[in-house]
Amino acid sequence: GAVVSQHPSRVICKSGTSVKIECRSLDFQATTMFWYRQFPKQSLMLMATSNEGSKATYEQGVEKDKFLINHASLTLSTLTVTSAHPEDSSFYICSARQGQGANQPQHFGDGTRLSIL
Amino acid sequence: ELKVEQNPLFLSMQEGKNYTIYCNYSTTSDRLYWYRQDPGKSLESLFVLLSNGAVKQEGRLMASLDTKARLSTLHITAAVHDLSATYFCAATKYNNNDMRFGAGTRLTVKP
Repeated sequence: GAVVSQHPSRVICKSGTSVKIECRSLDFQATTMFWYRQFPKQSLMLMATSNEGSKATYEQGVEKDKFLINHASLTLSTLTVTSAHPEDSSFYICSARQGQGANQPQHFGDGTRLSIL
Repeated sequence: ELKVEQNPLFLSMQEGKNYTIYCNYSTTSDRLYWYRQDPGKSLESLFVLLSNGAVKQEGRLMASLDTKARLSTLHITAAVHDLSATYFCAATKYNNNDMRFGAGTRLTVKP
């Protein structure tokens, strides 16, 4: 149980393109989902917290107009990288928290490797 | 702000040897996590530690938590090549949403 599906797993596109990444909780409802970014050989950095039915909370230094997050249902959150540039190339990982409480575990997706040419 | 520091960042060890990875965190945390990441892959959950003195073991890996020292350790016993990966610790603050990760320890086990 507690499977999180992330799609696509790999994206290669031209500079200026907008890219949408989906994060789905397959067998549980996730009120809260999280988006992380990981540059090569670095740790995971939290970008934003996505709450179903409300606006996402962005971490300091993350441009909300650049990284659009939508969490329209209890099983789906999307991250759209708008007008992507080479510096946006990274490994993006989502996680979903099972249940309502803050003490519930996070389950991670398989990640999306984004390469902007 | 909750900060997590992990050391060493790089660890090269021979098969059969023991070693410990350390994870310190800056403020009170309600739980401590250990994850494994293989190259190009996402995170695999290893342990969740909830209380002071908690110890969990799975195979050659054992994790412990000392909340008074704000320290968690991941001990590797008789390392084998299959353990080569990057190991992350992460902490969450009570009632907070976010999880803060350490920088990761890149472990290489040599035959």
